[in-house]
Amino acid sequence: DAKTTQPNSMESNEEEPVHLPCNHSTISGTDYIHWYRQLPSQGPEYVIHGLTSNVNNRMASLAIAEDRKSSTLILHRATLRDAAVYYCTYKAAGNKLTFGGGTRVLVKP
Amino acid sequence: SAVISQKPSRDICQRGTSLTIQCQVDSQVTMMFWYRQQPGQSLTLIATANQGSEATYESGFVIDKFPISRPNLTFSTLTVSNMSPEDSSIYLCSVEDRRTGRYGYTFGSGTRLTVV
Repeated sequence: DAKTTQPNSMESNEEEPVHLPCNHSTISGTDYIHWYRQLPSQGPEYVIHGLTSNVNNRMASLAIAEDRKSSTLILHRATLRDAAVYYCTYKAAGNKLTFGGGTRVLVKP
Repeated sequence: SAVISQKPSRDICQRGTSLTIQCQVDSQVTMMFWYRQQPGQSLTLIATANQGSEATYESGFVIDKFPISRPNLTFSTLTVSNMSPEDSSIYLCSVEDRRTGRYGYTFGSGTRLTVV
């Protein structure tokens, strides 16, 4: 199974950037790194994914280490609506996504 | 992105009964995935459902307890059988979203099950 390690929680002030780290040392060379977030009482929501290069979309940026054993999700300006649990994951054999503990992000006004 | 309709959104069930959860996708997908999320915990994969074949279960999950149907490429059901309070969880279905080319996964909104 895919193994990822993330801090349990992080706090940020509103309008400030949030950097969420993830270790995925067992990832293979062809596995994409995925990030999802889960707002309270909702199913997980896709945030971003990438392979080697850094990636940007309207929600966030993904910085991937050169050795691909770690990555960082960057929320450029946190809002109260970004308070959620953020999961870093990648596909295991059989196209399965398996989830670690995730990071609970608290955004303070 | 793919749109998933999951029903029911919540239910309270008696011990020893069974509940069937439905997952409808607005596009054809090869694989559908069923997850369980126990209170305050992360998601745990129960099984992968392919159309036309038996579901593949993860370690710790068995077909007798969680039978799955996959009659076509847009629909699947998960049944939680002979329920006990330990089955109280959120159950979610998911598909790999290939329509947009981004290959992310889309999740249903979940079924919150309480067993009393």
